[in-house]
Amino acid sequence: DTAVSQTPKYLVTQMGNDKSIKCEQNLGHDTMYWYKQDSKKFLKIMFSYNNKELIINETVPNRFSPKSPDKAHLNLHINSLELGDSAVYFCASSLTDTYEQYFGPGTRLTVT
Amino acid sequence: AQSVTQLGSHVSVSEGALVLLRCNYSSSVPPYLFWYVQYPNQGLQLLLKYTSAATLVKGINGFEAEFKKSETSFHLTKPSAHMSDAAEYFCAVSDLRTGRRALTFGSGTRLQVQP
Repeated sequence: DTAVSQTPKYLVTQMGNDKSIKCEQNLGHDTMYWYKQDSKKFLKIMFSYNNKELIINETVPNRFSPKSPDKAHLNLHINSLELGDSAVYFCASSLTDTYEQYFGPGTRLTVT
Repeated sequence: AQSVTQLGSHVSVSEGALVLLRCNYSSSVPPYLFWYVQYPNQGLQLLLKYTSAATLVKGINGFEAEFKKSETSFHLTKPSAHMSDAAEYFCAVSDLRTGRRALTFGSGTRLQVQP
């Protein structure tokens, strides 16, 4: 009965490849997020979707493309991976009327 | 833009000692404030939240935090540290002025608990 799940948990790939990370929540939330945690543990918002609509799109390279097929899912596709993309990517969700967010376990992406 | 400052990237306490992790925010409007904990190789778990109700907020695992508007602070405390409290702690803020629900995080504080 995992609340926010992500797959895969670990992803090791070479520069130039394209990869996707999937996120699903079973909390009935209508807003979902992608955060990036760098090697110094700093967390920063990348994207946010509300009811499948993109509402936050931070200064993120165009190589990153989120997609929300429905309210319970938010995927992240990354094209032409670079060394600097290595990080832990966290998915989170919340309800529109509240501000508390629930996080997934993270996906550790390593680009070699 | 809102920001959060966590004083002290590392805090070390003895088991049974008081835990105090500091967080200050910058905002012209009191925001919603949160403390999250991250254990090694895990996601973030919500410890507690301030949403303009009581200024003293109690959370899970014996933690509490007090919102002080005059000091723009939201420090996290626990009377007696346990070994299991060793983790990374993040203070975060939501911007109520814009309704932007993305959290802005502090840089984190690593808590070490010595036996």
